[in-house]
Amino acid sequence: GAVVSQHPSRVICKSGTSVKIECRSLDFQATTMFWYRQFPKQSLMLMATSNEGSKATYEQGVEKDKFLINHASLTLSTLTVTSAHPEDSSFYICSVSRQGGIRGYTFGSGTRLTVV
Amino acid sequence: EDQVTQSPEALRLQEGESSSLNCSYTVSGLRGLFWYRQDPGKGPEFLFTLYSAGEEKEKERLKATLTKKESFLHITAPKPEDSATYLCAVRGGSNYKLTFGKGTLLTVNP
Repeated sequence: GAVVSQHPSRVICKSGTSVKIECRSLDFQATTMFWYRQFPKQSLMLMATSNEGSKATYEQGVEKDKFLINHASLTLSTLTVTSAHPEDSSFYICSVSRQGGIRGYTFGSGTRLTVV
Repeated sequence: EDQVTQSPEALRLQEGESSSLNCSYTVSGLRGLFWYRQDPGKGPEFLFTLYSAGEEKEKERLKATLTKKESFLHITAPKPEDSATYLCAVRGGSNYKLTFGKGTLLTVNP
């Protein structure tokens, strides 16, 4: 299966600052990557679909100006949480799909964001 | 809108005590039902994909089955290392979006 690297694994930032999370597809070129958020004891919720070379598609209720997604290459997508607030504290996970999902979806190891 | 409901929310077993986890779903045009294992503080780890009713897949002590309305993850003679949260997700329609359930937290005591 695909190998996905996510960095950092955990980050603590002050309220009002911005944080960037990287997601790399290490062994194949991913035209599409996905960003999820997971609150404690809750399911993974899709935030946005990241498309290489074009704008990301955001799910309903997700603020695109707050969660900036850049997919500048076939191996890297970044999620930037801008002007972070304590309620943005969560577990953020990226995912890639191979052959449109036919060969499954592989997830990164996740990033624990804590905003203080 | 696709929906996934997993039960029970939590399950505690003794080592060697077999059981099943349930995943009920509603989806418009199932294009895959996925089972993942998630350890604390980690991303989901892929276990199985099922595509059509009647399909079954096995891996070590795990066996996944699928009907038109639900999927079961059977765990045979579990070991403590099987302790984790097991997630079920569906993909429907023509997009790539996965809809996840809340998961079942499995604890296997030695």
